[in-house]
This record gives sequence, C-alpha cells and structure tokens, in this order.
Amino acid sequence: AQSVTQLGSHVSVSEGALVLLRCNYSSSVPPYLFWYVQYPNQGLQLLLKYTTGATLVKGINGFEAEFKKSETSFHLTKPSAHMSDAAEYFCAVSEDTGFQKLVFGTGTRLLVSP
Amino acid sequence: DGGITQSPKYLFRKEGQNVTLSCEQNLNHDAMYWYRQDPGQGLRLIYYSQIVNDFQKGDIAEGYSVSREKKESFPLTVTSAQKNPTAFYLCASSIGTGGGYTFGSGTRLTVV
Repeated sequence: AQSVTQLGSHVSVSEGALVLLRCNYSSSVPPYLFWYVQYPNQGLQLLLKYTTGATLVKGINGFEAEFKKSETSFHLTKPSAHMSDAAEYFCAVSEDTGFQKLVFGTGTRLLVSP
Repeated sequence: DGGITQSPKYLFRKEGQNVTLSCEQNLNHDAMYWYRQDPGQGLRLIYYSQIVNDFQKGDIAEGYSVSREKKESFPLTVTSAQKNPTAFYLCASSIGTGGGYTFGSGTRLTVV
C-alpha cells in the first residue's frame, strides 16, 4: 500500500530564506507524486507533479521538487520565501496503475516571518 | 472557466439531522472524490466514483452516503449516524489516471 510521510507539521522561515519541505513516500510500483498548497478555508491547488521523465520538476510560484528514487523522497524547495507563501502544503502519491487514487500526507504548515 | 463548485461554503447541522453537501464540476472529468479534513490529520477519503452510477467506499465511509446520477454531480450526505461530523469537506475530480486532482473550495460543516 502507498503511504506518504511529511516530516515536520510546522516549518518556520524568514522572508528571503530557503524553503525546504520534506516528503518521503512508500510505493510498490512507480509512483506519481504531487505537491499541493492550501490557503485558509480554501481548497487545494496543485503546485507541481512528477509522473515520468525529468526528475527535477518545476511548478508554480517558484517552487520545485526533485524525485529521488533511491531515497524515496520528493522534497519541495523554493530559493527565497515570500510572505505570500505562508500556507499548508500537502504531498501526495498515487500508483502508476490504472485508476488514480491519491494518498495524502498529513501536511506541513509553512510560517514566514518578516 | 472550468472548475468545481461546492456549496454551501458554511453549513450548520443540528444533532440527528441529515445534511447534503453539493459538488458540481464542468471539467468533463470521469472520477470524483470526497475528502474530510481535520486539523493535524490531513485528508481522509470518504467516497469516490470512477464513473456515473458507480461509487466505492473510501477509508472513512461510515455515516456518509453518496450518489452519482450525473457525470457533473457527486453530492455527499452526512447522516445522523456520523457521530463527529464537524470538519472541512473537500470535493475533487480527476481524469482518472495521472494528472492529479482538481479541488473545490470546500464546505465547513459544524454541528450545533
């Protein structure tokens, strides 16, 4: 069965600092991997996804993530945090086998201080 | 623009009442999903549907029911059997393989 572990329920950074949100997954077959962002009282918005091909994936708002099969990781990074990046971030995995059903991590809340 | 519409945004339920949350999509997606979100627990799958007139239970289906009579619509009923219904409910849709989900803006249900 698939699973996702997000290390750290809260991450705090200063504006302009590097953002690193960690995600490790478990899957018995090649995975599809996703990062979503959620602002308060809103739905989730897709930041980026990995399906096949290039392992470094670029998404919206300057975020990127690298699929590392050997480490079963898909960490999310951004070189320089903005105040507007403060939100909750969810990593998700699905298996590359027919019908897609995403399994989500428990989320990481990013706090950005001036 | 295509998207998913959830209504209402806020809903209050009295003890013992059934309530229905609406979810409509105009993305022509085959698959639709309902998730429940509680603080610190991420998203938990309630029900999903791959095609019209068919749906499957997710991880926490007890106390909930759904229908899928039209491709565009996937309403969720929270029944009186659900003992702790206060939560944020999210509806999503997808093409079914790859691509990820598109989410609605959610319904916050509170028991009063």
